Amino acid sequence: DQQVKQNSPSLSVQEGRISILNCDYTNSMFDYFLWYKKYPAEGPTFLISISSIKDKNEDGRFTVFLNKSAKHLSLHIVPSQPGDSAVYFCAARADSSYKLIFGSGTRLLVRP
Amino acid sequence: NAGVTQTPKFQVLKTGQSMTLQCAQDMNHNSMYWYRQDPGMGLRLIYYSASEGTTDKGEVPNGYNVSRLNKREFSLRLESAAPSQTSVYFCASRPSGSSYNEQFFGPGTRLTVL
Repeated sequence: DQQVKQNSPSLSVQEGRISILNCDYTNSMFDYFLWYKKYPAEGPTFLISISSIKDKNEDGRFTVFLNKSAKHLSLHIVPSQPGDSAVYFCAARADSSYKLIFGSGTRLLVRP
Repeated sequence: NAGVTQTPKFQVLKTGQSMTLQCAQDMNHNSMYWYRQDPGMGLRLIYYSASEGTTDKGEVPNGYNVSRLNKREFSLRLESAAPSQTSVYFCASRPSGSSYNEQFFGPGTRLTVL
């Protein structure tokens, strides 16, 4: 039973265009959401996060949107750059122990 | 600061062998975590330690044991390795305080069990 789902295993985007990565969750008790970026042979690195009391958080080229009623969040990258090519994981904080539940990841390829 | 370090980077075991994966962090973080990553499965929590002296099971603890040796170090032990434990293992740590939700990850250990 996957509580955090990333239904698109891969996404290919032209450089300069917008990349939109999607994530759905089932547990309405999740109160904090994070996006991580992972390059091959490296550990995941934190990208951006959002609290459940907000619907948008922006950091440079990266914006995360949260739709609580739909239990859906998305990561927008504008403009996309070849260096953004990586696997992106969304994660949700499970409870006060700060455990994270991860989605299965979306591999983004930004074509020059 | 080295951040989160893991040893070894690669390991090949035969079924039934045992080994310990080492993890250390130099950021004075209270909480530490062990995950495994399998294709199409994302990262799944094996065990975590909310603070020095405490450990708790995560989503997939069977076949593993952990030791929080001190505040810096959190090791993961496979007593009798099985092919199903072939995976990439990541250690992570998190600062204390309610405002810190971000976990910092090590570079991973790629384990193959034959």
